[in-house]
Amino acid sequence: DAKTTQPTSMDCAEGRAANLPCNHSTISGNEYVYWYRQIHSQGPQYIIHGLKNNETNEMASLIITEDRKSSTLILPHATLRDTAVYYCIVSPIYNQGGKLIFGQGTELSVKP
Amino acid sequence: GAVVSQHPSWVICKSGTSVKIECRSLDFQATTMFWYRQFPKQSLMLMATSNEGSKATYEQGVEKDKFLINHASLTLSTLTVTSAHPEDSSFYICSAPTLSADTQYFGPGTRLTVL
Repeated sequence: DAKTTQPTSMDCAEGRAANLPCNHSTISGNEYVYWYRQIHSQGPQYIIHGLKNNETNEMASLIITEDRKSSTLILPHATLRDTAVYYCIVSPIYNQGGKLIFGQGTELSVKP
Repeated sequence: GAVVSQHPSWVICKSGTSVKIECRSLDFQATTMFWYRQFPKQSLMLMATSNEGSKATYEQGVEKDKFLINHASLTLSTLTVTSAHPEDSSFYICSAPTLSADTQYFGPGTRLTVL
């Protein structure tokens, strides 16, 4: 069973920041927070992951609360191509036996 | 970056036939790969873990005799849907962890339609 809770859907205006929340109140100490997204009829795409510190890469920023029970994925300037289902997943890294169990995700619609 | 490919990208077959789907890691080696199934408007469901040189590990409820997995080399895993039926029609996706083991890369998926 998925161990994360995400809103079913969200809208965002093109050019604005998209903030996608995720609750993972039962996260374990060795579990990372991963974010993937899936554009319609494609395989999921890795976005970012983190353990307890905030992370940033060329795609997005990940803000993890100090108690690690929730996180927010931030797309700083959303474009129409960012319309996708975004999955927040908690898992140990692979070499700790981690496998990705997907929940229902958040369907983000970026509108002009 | 790391790339995972799948072949074919789509396949249509008759009920009762078998279909093989290939998953390849193109520029890295993967001792483990994962197979997922996704029905329309649903999330990805993990089917099995494919292990190079050993038997696959199946998730609860997945029939290992129906979904045959072979991990023949460090860059290739195959999923064979045996005696396919219309209810097996789905989007099948594979993934492979990177050598650094902290992320996974997904294939583009294979859409199977069983008539």
